Amino acid sequence: KQEVTQIPAALSVPEGENLVLNCSFTDSAIYNLQWFRQDPGKGLTSLLLIQSSQREQTSGRLNASLDKSSGRSTLYIAASQPGDSATYLCAVVYFGNEKLTFGTGTRLTIIP
Amino acid sequence: EPEVTQTPSHQVTQMGQEVILRCVPISNHLYFYWYRQILGQKVEFLVSFYNNEISEKSEIFDDQFSVERPDGSNFTLKIRSTKLEDSAMYFCASSEAGDRIGSPLHFGNGTRLTVT
Repeated sequence: KQEVTQIPAALSVPEGENLVLNCSFTDSAIYNLQWFRQDPGKGLTSLLLIQSSQREQTSGRLNASLDKSSGRSTLYIAASQPGDSATYLCAVVYFGNEKLTFGTGTRLTIIP
Repeated sequence: EPEVTQTPSHQVTQMGQEVILRCVPISNHLYFYWYRQILGQKVEFLVSFYNNEISEKSEIFDDQFSVERPDGSNFTLKIRSTKLEDSAMYFCASSEAGDRIGSPLHFGNGTRLTVT
């Protein structure tokens, strides 16, 4: 079954620290992987999209990596800020369909 | 920045009633989607829509569900006879024309549907 897993479910870190969020997927045959941010009661904001041919993408303090062979992606957040507190979702488009398959997310809390 | 807008933000309905959830995708996007998130669970795909027809749908999207693009700007999800288990946050999303599989999806803020 094609699934996406995110561990841990929740993470708290002091402000200013660098941190890494993890995502794993069960099948390496993917079109792309996308990271989203979800604030409570809000929609999903796309952060980074990595095509299957790419190894990483960067936007500001965010860097996402992709290793298809091991079925893993990481989202690196540098110099964390309280405003980074949110739930971060990883989603994959597997070959054979055009839908996003989401993980359950990591709820991140940055402690001032 | 252009955004996907959804109305209403919260809808309460009685079991068995019909509901229509409305979305205005980003104007130059041609690919449209509905996803839902039951409280505490994963975001789940419902349906994708392109060129005025459904291009893919999930097992959740049974005969009780339908989608429509009635004009050049709106995209609607109708649930004919709501059930308690339809209670969820429903998200509309859109993406650019061309390489839809490689285009980021832009999501609305969602409609929280509560079926009583």
